[in-house]
Amino acid sequence: KNEVEQSPQNLTAQEGEFITINCSYSVGISALHWLQQHPGGGIVSLFMLSSGKKKHGRLIATINIQEKHSSLHITASHPRDSAVYICAVQFTGTASKLTFGTGTRLQVTL
Amino acid sequence: DAMVIQNPRYQVTQFGKPVTLSCSQTLNHNVMYWYQQKSSQAPKLLFHYYDKDFNNEADTPDNFQSRRPNTSFCFLDIRSPGLGDAAMYLCATSPEGGFGSQPQHFGDGTRLSIL
Repeated sequence: KNEVEQSPQNLTAQEGEFITINCSYSVGISALHWLQQHPGGGIVSLFMLSSGKKKHGRLIATINIQEKHSSLHITASHPRDSAVYICAVQFTGTASKLTFGTGTRLQVTL
Repeated sequence: DAMVIQNPRYQVTQFGKPVTLSCSQTLNHNVMYWYQQKSSQAPKLLFHYYDKDFNNEADTPDNFQSRRPNTSFCFLDIRSPGLGDAAMYLCATSPEGGFGSQPQHFGDGTRLSIL
């Protein structure tokens, strides 16, 4: 069964802390996406990965294909990073259809 | 900037009164998707168009229809909205619908309320 699991579900951090959100999936994929959604807002695509590591500003995404696991890291977190972070995958053979994780709600406080 | 634009941002309709949500894109992408997202849940794919080819998800209610008159526009029609259809509706696009990795570009969503 094609499944995506994220942890933690909720995360509270103080400004400046290093944050890690984890995603694991059940079977082979062609790509994994990290998405950001602010309360009441649309979705912004942060990264699309099929191997290795990507970095954009304070955000870093890594993926380990053998372990079927990806992490999203936020360095020097800031209150404006408060959002829901969603892992979504394209399972092999399902074309461009995304299967979503349930999201991680991040709250960064001063 | 090239964008996925959804109108309106907020839509209120009455129980049973048909409503149409719209999505336009300037990316010239072949594939357009409609997702339904209820509060605190992951987005759920309703259907997608690969060019003019319509693909319905097996569990999408018949109450939901879609039209894509051209590459740029896609509409979501809800024929007789029920209270359970209140949700955020997200439109997304991707360049192709093939089996390789495909980025998806999302709009800001339309939040639908049912009175």
